[in-house]
Amino acid sequence: KNEVEQSPQNLTAQEGEFITINCSYSVGISALHWLQQHPGGGIVSLFMLSSGKKKHGRLIATINIQEKHSSLHITASHPRDSAVYICAVAGETSGSRLTFGEGTQLTVNP
Amino acid sequence: EAGVAQSPRYKIIEKRQSVAFWCNPISGHATLYWYQQILGQGPKLLIQFQNNGVVDDSQLPKDRFSAERLKGVDSTLKIQPAKLEDSAVYLCASSLGGRMEAFFGQGTRLTVV
Repeated sequence: KNEVEQSPQNLTAQEGEFITINCSYSVGISALHWLQQHPGGGIVSLFMLSSGKKKHGRLIATINIQEKHSSLHITASHPRDSAVYICAVAGETSGSRLTFGEGTQLTVNP
Repeated sequence: EAGVAQSPRYKIIEKRQSVAFWCNPISGHATLYWYQQILGQGPKLLIQFQNNGVVDDSQLPKDRFSAERLKGVDSTLKIQPAKLEDSAVYLCASSLGGRMEAFFGQGTRLTVV
């Protein structure tokens, strides 16, 4: 079993839909990251959080430390949101070194 | 602020050839990571540097992979000789260190044929 599990693996939505991607982890963490990866390969950090909830534009990330679970929400989805979304955790003793989930491929159709 | 720079962006080589990737981290970032991302999977750590010292290289296939960060700034990752299964995106990331956020480069996409 991976230390970081994401669901779903693939997600197809229509433009405007509300999207949720889930992440569960099995280790103690100091922080959880949500990352976006476009087909070119580069990774962009969306959120780093250790508790509660963060919002940036149409993106919302929540984390429940007790349940070892985080969700990434996208409101009013748009085709430009199509990308791979990756959950990654920094272990309590691993500094900023990250353990990654397998990623969720999101496709938003117009 | 300039981001993490990697080169080349793409590389195609034949198996058994050698290849090298270069990474220039964000200025002042003491910690540098090399990750390997095979298609359809999440990135996996190959090696972590703190300044010019190796912190973790437990998952680096040392029979064919090597990495250095001689002056504690930029870093090179080398594969010699390459195998078909080395085809992947090689990502470099850097952070100030400790529990600070890591920033990623654009990656180098390697295809071994």
